[in-house]
Formats: sequence, C-alpha cells, structure tokens
Amino acid sequence: EPEVTQTPSHQVTQMGQEVILRCVPISNHLYFYWYRQILGQKVEFLVSFYNNEISEKSEIFDDQFSVERPDGSNFTLKIRSTKLEDSAMYFCASSDPSGRDPTQYFGPGTRLTVL
Amino acid sequence: RKEVEQDPGPFNVPEGATVAFNCTYSNSASQSFFWYRQDCRKEPKLLMSVYSSGNEDGRFTAQLNRASQYISLLIRDSKLSDSATYLCVVSGDSSYKLIFGSGTRLLVRP
Repeated sequence: EPEVTQTPSHQVTQMGQEVILRCVPISNHLYFYWYRQILGQKVEFLVSFYNNEISEKSEIFDDQFSVERPDGSNFTLKIRSTKLEDSAMYFCASSDPSGRDPTQYFGPGTRLTVL
Repeated sequence: RKEVEQDPGPFNVPEGATVAFNCTYSNSASQSFFWYRQDCRKEPKLLMSVYSSGNEDGRFTAQLNRASQYISLLIRDSKLSDSATYLCVVSGDSSYKLIFGSGTRLLVRP
C-alpha cells in the first residue's frame, strides 16, 4: 500500500538555526500539505501546495516558513530561524481530491525539538 | 467559539461496551467531515468519512446533522485495540485544508 514517508523522524536543533523537513508524498497525488501538532495540542494546518505553488496557508505559516518541491518526489518544509515554540510534530500529507479517493494520507511525522 | 469542538474525555470503558463521541463545528459551510484516529505520538489515520445520510463500517457508525452542525461516532463492541484518541475533522468551505478538533481519548479496559 502506498504511503507518505518523512525524514528525519526526529530533529534536534538550536534556536536560530535553519531546519529542513523532508517528505515523499504518495506518487500519484497532486496536493501536498504540512500540519503541525504541539505536544498535548490539536493538529493545526500550516500550508497546502498544488501545481508548484502554495494554494493556502495559515497564520502560523509566516515568513520564517517556506515549502518547496525540489524534484518530482520530495516536498520540503524549511524553517529559516527556529524558535523554541516551533518544537512540535510536523506531519506531511498528500491527497488527490479529484480522484476516487480524496482522503489526505499522513506521514509518520518529524519530531522537531528546538533547544 | 472553537472551529471544531470535542469532549476531551477520557472515556474509560470495558471491552464489549458501546461508546459514543460527539463533535460540533462552527462553519456551516463546511463541506466534508471525517473521523480520524490517532495513537500516542503517531500520525492521524482516517477512520471513516461522514456522510449526510450516515454511514457504517463494521463496528463504527458515523452520523452528521448539518442543521445542528453536529457529528457523532458510535463504536460498538469495543476492543482493547480501539484505545486511541479520536479526532473529529472537517474541511474548509472552499479549500481542502483539514480543521481538527482536539480529540476524544478512549481507553478500553479488559
């Protein structure tokens, strides 16, 4: 069964450093998403991406964040200068809303710890 | 008002019990509705979509009441493996982004 993969599973970084979280969406999907979940809190939408551009973003997704699809398979989230409050699980998801199954499938997540 | 509101629980039930979760959402223009399941420190996984006519998948039954902006999930014959957090999720009125509730925790005891 196809699945979304994410690397690394855990990233520890110092405040102010840049991090890049990587995702490989399901191969025939066209929409890609990033969500985050701070420990003990709900899952929050960050950004959606379609046709090589951002289709929607939340208030959380400020200038410190960027997304990119550098090649045909990877989808990345970059945090330019990490803050303590960026510590969270970051989930990538993908979907094909126009297809038979519009479900968003989530990757296993990257746990980001900012010290 | 929260966009998606759920009772956090926990619901602590014996194996074999029937348990029901409720959820309300604030945006009357929401188009799609789901129940996801999340195990501790894992990713959300789709349990079932929720349709206006109500739908059933084995031991799980979901209902949607658009007039009251209310979604429910019924689990019959609870198993130990049902222990998890159940997330009520709606999609936006004109977008694909998912809006999550905070989740209801279920503990099924032997």
